[in-house]
Amino acid sequence: DAGVTQSPTHLIKTRGQQVTLRCSPKSGHDTVSWYQQALGQGPQFIFQYYEEEERQRGNFPDRFSGHQFPNYSSELNVNALLLGDSALYLCASTRQGSYNEQFFGPGTRLTVL
Amino acid sequence: AQSVTQLGSHVSVSEGALVLLRCNYSSSVPPYLFWYVQYPNQGLQLLLKYTTGATLVKGINGFEAEFKKSETSFHLTKPSAHMSDAAEYFCAVSYNAGNMLTFGGGTRLMVKP
Repeated sequence: DAGVTQSPTHLIKTRGQQVTLRCSPKSGHDTVSWYQQALGQGPQFIFQYYEEEERQRGNFPDRFSGHQFPNYSSELNVNALLLGDSALYLCASTRQGSYNEQFFGPGTRLTVL
Repeated sequence: AQSVTQLGSHVSVSEGALVLLRCNYSSSVPPYLFWYVQYPNQGLQLLLKYTTGATLVKGINGFEAEFKKSETSFHLTKPSAHMSDAAEYFCAVSYNAGNMLTFGGGTRLMVKP
């Protein structure tokens, strides 16, 4: 059973560019959440997608947007990249319902130069 | 609003010694509590969770944690540290197991031979 997968593993961009990160949830999961983990800090919640809609959003600007596809996979898009966007981006999946903890992928390391 | 405080960004123990990682939370509603471990260049792995019922929770790799409502704490312990326990540990809180997670800043555990 494949767990949560993310691509790419690493990415280098320059300021002002746009980036798209991808996530495939664990088999049987229908909900995907995205987190940003800056170096030396705990992950921060960006948003969550369920039934192809954004259900919850953390304190992130509109430059951060996402999408969920009918097969439950998801994309995170970041426009007008800033140096401060450099971080590990983690995707987590779960199945709607109580007690279903979130399973995390290995992350995408984004470096903005 | 939820928040999580992990006392001690770095903890060092000798191999075979007791491991104690501290976590305090604030939540306006009964929380769901989690401990995750992160090894270098990897995603997060769930160690254990408290959702309801027994307040002493046992997890993987010999770890356990006790939910103390009166102290708003969820400290992580392991009787005897192994070298392989060296990693970053994150405490997290949520209203619902599949919902948004709020993480603490993390504690880096170092195990000395």
